[in-house]
Amino acid sequence: QKEVEQNSGPLSVPEGAIASLNCTYSDRGSQSFFWYRQYSGKSPELIMFIYSNGDKEDGRFTAQLNKASQYVSLLIRDSQPSDSATYLCAVANSGYALNFGKGTSLLVTP
Amino acid sequence: DVKVTQSSRYLVKRTGEKVFLECVQDMDHENMFWYRQDPGLGLRLIYFSYDVKMKEKGDIPEGYSVSREKKERFSLILESASTNQTSMYLCASSFRGMGNQPQHFGDGTRLSIL
Repeated sequence: QKEVEQNSGPLSVPEGAIASLNCTYSDRGSQSFFWYRQYSGKSPELIMFIYSNGDKEDGRFTAQLNKASQYVSLLIRDSQPSDSATYLCAVANSGYALNFGKGTSLLVTP
Repeated sequence: DVKVTQSSRYLVKRTGEKVFLECVQDMDHENMFWYRQDPGLGLRLIYFSYDVKMKEKGDIPEGYSVSREKKERFSLILESASTNQTSMYLCASSFRGMGNQPQHFGDGTRLSIL
């Protein structure tokens, strides 16, 4: 079974701080990695994807990938209350489908 | 922007009914997917399709079937609805390729089976 693990949280950070969300995966052959944000009662929304080791930045978001250690992280700088949501990590293996983690709940407090 | 449209946001049906959930995408994506999402269980793949008339079972296909007669449309069918199929159903699509393309989701259908 190819696993994608995330801490369920909630992760609570004060407004303006950096939120760090982590994801580990079991399949060493995993190729592509995605972060989705899901507000309560809504559908997942793609935030970022990363294919290569290292960092990828997009605005306040940075994805970090370390294939040797089999983890991928999402950093959110200058966190805002509107960032409060569940963040889903998804990993592509060798097939068509993505394996999703169960998500980490983030709460940004004013 | 990618647009994935699901036919209903909320749906209430009775046990034993045959239920159709429709999904249409406007980006000429080859791959389409149906998931259900339940508290504590996360997203679970029911079926997917990588081309017209092609379908593959996901992790939980029992009690469901799918149809893909046109590239833009992917339907999920509950053959005889049961209360344990009450859930949020999410459709997604992506470009051709083995999972290395991001999936884009519709707004979801919250289905209640009474």
